[in-house]
Amino acid sequence: EAGVVQSPRYKIIEKKQPVAFWCNPISGHNTLYWYLQNLGQGPELLIRYENEEAVDDSQLPKDRFSAERLKGVDSTLKIQPAELGDSAVYLCASGPGAGELNEQFFGPGTRLTVL
Amino acid sequence: AQSVAQPEDQVNVAEGNPLTVKCTYSVSGNPYLFWYVQYPNRGLQFLLKYITGDNLVKGSYGFEAEFNKSQTSFHLKKPSALVSDSALYFCAVRDIGSASKIIFGSGTRLSIRP
Repeated sequence: EAGVVQSPRYKIIEKKQPVAFWCNPISGHNTLYWYLQNLGQGPELLIRYENEEAVDDSQLPKDRFSAERLKGVDSTLKIQPAELGDSAVYLCASGPGAGELNEQFFGPGTRLTVL
Repeated sequence: AQSVAQPEDQVNVAEGNPLTVKCTYSVSGNPYLFWYVQYPNRGLQFLLKYITGDNLVKGSYGFEAEFNKSQTSFHLKKPSALVSDSALYFCAVRDIGSASKIIFGSGTRLSIRP
C-alpha cells in the first residue's frame, strides 16, 4: 500500500515569492492534515480536513496561507507571499476516519527554505 | 488548555540496556495519548496509543508505554535498546472532553550507542 505522498521534497524560494505544496493521502483516508514543523520542535497543526471540508483551520495564518481539497482526495497548501519565518518542514498526514482517535499516517514532508 | 512536555532533549543509552523516554501531559479531562517516531528524512510513524483500559500499552518495534494518571505521565519504554532505535520520538496528547486538536511535544532524540 502506498503511503502519503508529498511533493516537492525540497523547495528554495526568495521571500515574497509564492509557493505551493501538494499532498496525496492514503487511498480511502477521509481525514487529511497539514502540519508545520520547525527545527527542534514537534508538528503544529495548520488545518484538518474531513473529506473536502476544512473542519479546523484555526491555526492557519489566513493572510498568507491557503489550502484546498476540492474533491476530498489530494490537497494543496499555498503560501503567498512567503516570508523568511516560513522556513520549516511542511508535513501532510492522513487518517482512516473522522476525529483524531485514530493514528495518523505522515508523509515525508516538504522542506521549505525562504531566502 | 492542554499541553505536553518532553523534559529531555536527548537520551543516550547503550545497546542492550533498557530505555525510557519521558512524557508528561496536562488536560482538563481524560487524555488520549500517542507516541510517534521520526527517522531522518522520513515522516512520523505511529508507535502506540492509549485511549482507555490497561495502563500498559504495547506497540510497534517492542516499545511499550505506561499511562500513569496520578503523575500525568506516559513514558515510553523498551527493555533492550537497539542501535536502530536511534531516532526522534514525539509524545502527543488530546483531551477527550473537547474538540481540541492533538498537541505534539517538542521531541526527544534517542541515541543508542553500540
